[in-house]
Amino acid sequence: DAKTTQPPSMDCAEGRAANLPCNHSTISGNEYVYWYRQIHSQGPQYIIHGLKNNETNEMASLIITEDRKSSTLILPHATLRDTAVYYCIVRVASSGGSNYKLTFGKGTLLTVNP
Amino acid sequence: EAQVTQNPRYLITVTGKKLTVTCSQNMNHEYMSWYRQDPGLGLRQIYYSMNVEVTDKGDVPEGYKVSRKEKRNFPLILESPSPNQTSLYFCASSQTGTRSDTQYFGPGTRLTVL
Repeated sequence: DAKTTQPPSMDCAEGRAANLPCNHSTISGNEYVYWYRQIHSQGPQYIIHGLKNNETNEMASLIITEDRKSSTLILPHATLRDTAVYYCIVRVASSGGSNYKLTFGKGTLLTVNP
Repeated sequence: EAQVTQNPRYLITVTGKKLTVTCSQNMNHEYMSWYRQDPGLGLRQIYYSMNVEVTDKGDVPEGYKVSRKEKRNFPLILESPSPNQTSLYFCASSQTGTRSDTQYFGPGTRLTVL
């Protein structure tokens, strides 16, 4: 799995967009970008994933650069409940017969302030 | 509601006293896995299971056992717990054969071994 680099911490004002960057310069063509988050000591929660096109769901948007060497997770209207550690994970999408292990790095601690 | 449940949520025990942490999922997922999370070390995979009666070691299997007799259950067994197994444990499950690779995590079990 390709290595990712994220800032250790970020702050965001409540109601504003939170933009969390992730660098993955060694990503290969068949690797996806996944985002999970972990609210303090709770189980990690899947947010979104993508290969090369931008993706959006009810939680967030994922913007992947054209060269795929970096991406940004966007929480459009951050709330206090979005305070969490956000993990960017790059890996090949799992297929039958392989270990679906997720390798979590240190992530970014996003603090949403009132 | 789709979910992964773990029991107990909190446990304090003594060295050498066998214990079992249960994990159950109601999504008919083939893949299940156990992770432990320790400060500064992130989440590390202990064991995983691709289906009933199919289990394999993860990165840190020493001191742990698992079984997968039913699709929905994947208990983690500590035959002789030691203080270095004090940790926060998470169970996860995922559908196989798809490329979405969404993993669902349980709420966690905080184990203290004295």
